[in-house]
Amino acid sequence: QMQLQESGPGLVKPSQTLSLTCSVSGGSVNNDNSFWSWVRQPAGKGLEWIGRIHTTGSTKYNPSLKRRVTISVHTSRNQFSLKLSSVTAADTAVYYCARDLRVRGYTYGYGYYYYYMDVWGKGTSVTVSS
Amino acid sequence: QSMLTQPPSASATPGQRVTISCSGGSSDIETNPVNWYQQLPGTAPKLLIYRNNQRPSGVPDRFSGSKSGTSASLAINGLQSEDEADYYCATWDDSLIGVFGGGTKLTVL
Repeated sequence: QMQLQESGPGLVKPSQTLSLTCSVSGGSVNNDNSFWSWVRQPAGKGLEWIGRIHTTGSTKYNPSLKRRVTISVHTSRNQFSLKLSSVTAADTAVYYCARDLRVRGYTYGYGYYYYYMDVWGKGTSVTVSS
Repeated sequence: QSMLTQPPSASATPGQRVTISCSGGSSDIETNPVNWYQQLPGTAPKLLIYRNNQRPSGVPDRFSGSKSGTSASLAINGLQSEDEADYYCATWDDSLIGVFGGGTKLTVL
């Protein structure tokens, strides 16, 4: 059974870079149908998709965060990571890592891919404050 | 990338049926399948429905999903007290950018 575990500092100073790591157990990050995602949730608010990466290094980022976000995959350590630069108080949130599974589907003979986040970490709280 | 639209809250009594709507557009919901996540208080989100109407193993058949055009819905039949949670719809757009709904807080009266 795959499990994900976030780790990293719980407190980051404004203007600095937030760095988190997600460790994957019970499976490999080097799986062609797995994408590795980050999602965050400010206290009392909804989920926000940050971005995801494939083992090939291909990434997709939320346009509102793209300028500040870098997601990397570290196959030798079976981990992936998130870096968010120039943080402010608005970046204070619980950060989740998740596996975004890609599946091939067919409709009327037409093939397509669909995705869903089937495995989530428990989340790690990050506060931005001086 | 715009957030999908969900009602902020819903409520019903035990045993009743409740539905939660999720509205999007031609570049997200209309084009791509919708997933639903359940978030119990103080816990991480959990996959509830994928590909519009598919239930992962272990999810009771009281939960069902549907999609039509630019909207999707989650239905819960025979509501139970343990269903009290936040529910989120999600999909992606034509550029494979992920998007969540704002979430619906379900209260079991």
